[in-house]
Amino acid sequence: AQSVAQPEDQVNVAEGNPLTVKCTYSVSGNPYLFWYVQYPNRGLQFLLKYITGDNLVKGSYGFEAEFNKSQTSFHLKKPSALVSDSALYFCAVRVITGANNLFFGTGTRLTVIP
Amino acid sequence: DSGVTQTPKHLITATGQRVTLRCSPRSGDLSVYWYQQSLDQGLQFLIQYYNGEERAKGNILERFSAQQFPDLHSELNLSSLELGDSALYFCASSVTRDPGSGNTIYFGEGSWLTVV
Repeated sequence: AQSVAQPEDQVNVAEGNPLTVKCTYSVSGNPYLFWYVQYPNRGLQFLLKYITGDNLVKGSYGFEAEFNKSQTSFHLKKPSALVSDSALYFCAVRVITGANNLFFGTGTRLTVIP
Repeated sequence: DSGVTQTPKHLITATGQRVTLRCSPRSGDLSVYWYQQSLDQGLQFLIQYYNGEERAKGNILERFSAQQFPDLHSELNLSSLELGDSALYFCASSVTRDPGSGNTIYFGEGSWLTVV
């Protein structure tokens, strides 16, 4: 069985400060991990993914995420938050040998305070 | 813009009715997925089609059905609608059928369904 946990429903951070949105996963095989962002009244936009190789992956809009196999985590980070980063963030997992669909976490609402 | 197009963007209908949501995948993508996003259940995978054939099924109700046509567009049919079916329905697409290549799934902007 596959599952994703986003332990924080809400994260608030001041503009210019670093941000972290947490994600842990549970799979019965090697995972592919993804981050998506949903702005108000918009669809899900792909941010970044971990497939293999370097544990630190870089994505759109200055975001990056670090894959940590021992802690089964894939936290999303950004060195300096912008007000425009305020949105709903979803972590998702897919197993290499499984079906191609994504299993999503419950989402974390990020609010960047000016 | 992901390249995945969904229509209609908004739909209001009465209980017991039937609606059809339409999706055009990104150019070159053969896989189409449908997801439901609701407040109480989050993002749920419904069904996947690959090149016209059903590939995987998730939490799709028997009242719901989907198909993918030869031109690769897809339709999600929702019938005998209930209040609890009110949700945002996403279509997504990817190039391949299976996850082995690490392909990315791209989402459309969704169709808001309100059942009254």
